[in-house]
Amino acid sequence: ETGVTQSPTHLIKTRGQQVTLRCSSQSGHNTVSWYQQALGQGPQFIFQYYREEENGRGNFPPRFSGLQFPNYSSELNVNALELDDSALYLCASKTSGWNEQFFGPGTRLTVL
Amino acid sequence: AQSVTQLDSHVSVSEGTPVLLRCNYSSSYSPSLFWYVQHPNKGLQLLLKYTSAATLVKGINGFEAEFKKSETSFHLTKPSAHMSDAAEYFCVVSGAGGTSYGKLTFGQGTILTVHP
Repeated sequence: ETGVTQSPTHLIKTRGQQVTLRCSSQSGHNTVSWYQQALGQGPQFIFQYYREEENGRGNFPPRFSGLQFPNYSSELNVNALELDDSALYLCASKTSGWNEQFFGPGTRLTVL
Repeated sequence: AQSVTQLDSHVSVSEGTPVLLRCNYSSSYSPSLFWYVQHPNKGLQLLLKYTSAATLVKGINGFEAEFKKSETSFHLTKPSAHMSDAAEYFCVVSGAGGTSYGKLTFGQGTILTVHP
């Protein structure tokens, strides 16, 4: 049991819509990262938040945005959904420094 | 820049036989390397990590990996496969410094099948 939780478990949206995914980090963790895992692929880094500030971003367009709250929980927002956004979205948390990242079970997003 | 190449997309073994999952990495600095496992409909679980200490790293469930700088490899092994080892395995390198700090770069994954 990693302690990282994500909601919802599954989500179906249509192209052009907006979606918000949520993540509660493990107790004591102040850093949250989001990853996109397309079917048959390894997870791809979207961005990382540390103490409510984005401090790293992967190769994703600006319509992918995020927030981190004072309790270190986090949201991933995706605007103008495209069919290729269909994927498993994973949240991971860790303490600052080089400690390992703990992953949540993910949210499966389907865009029709 | 950093990258990871997993050399086999699928590996099939019989229960009780050795497991070898191959991984090569590329990194412009001393890397931190990890192996994660993903069972169907479950989150990623850390098997083991290398962070510039001993080059032979032991992990959970009998897995181990050896860091070979000269070969830029970090292969995952297990002496005897169990049915419960069937899953997808990811080799991962961690970024350092600047906007790469904390970023994990995953390989494409290796699906391990274990036959009775």
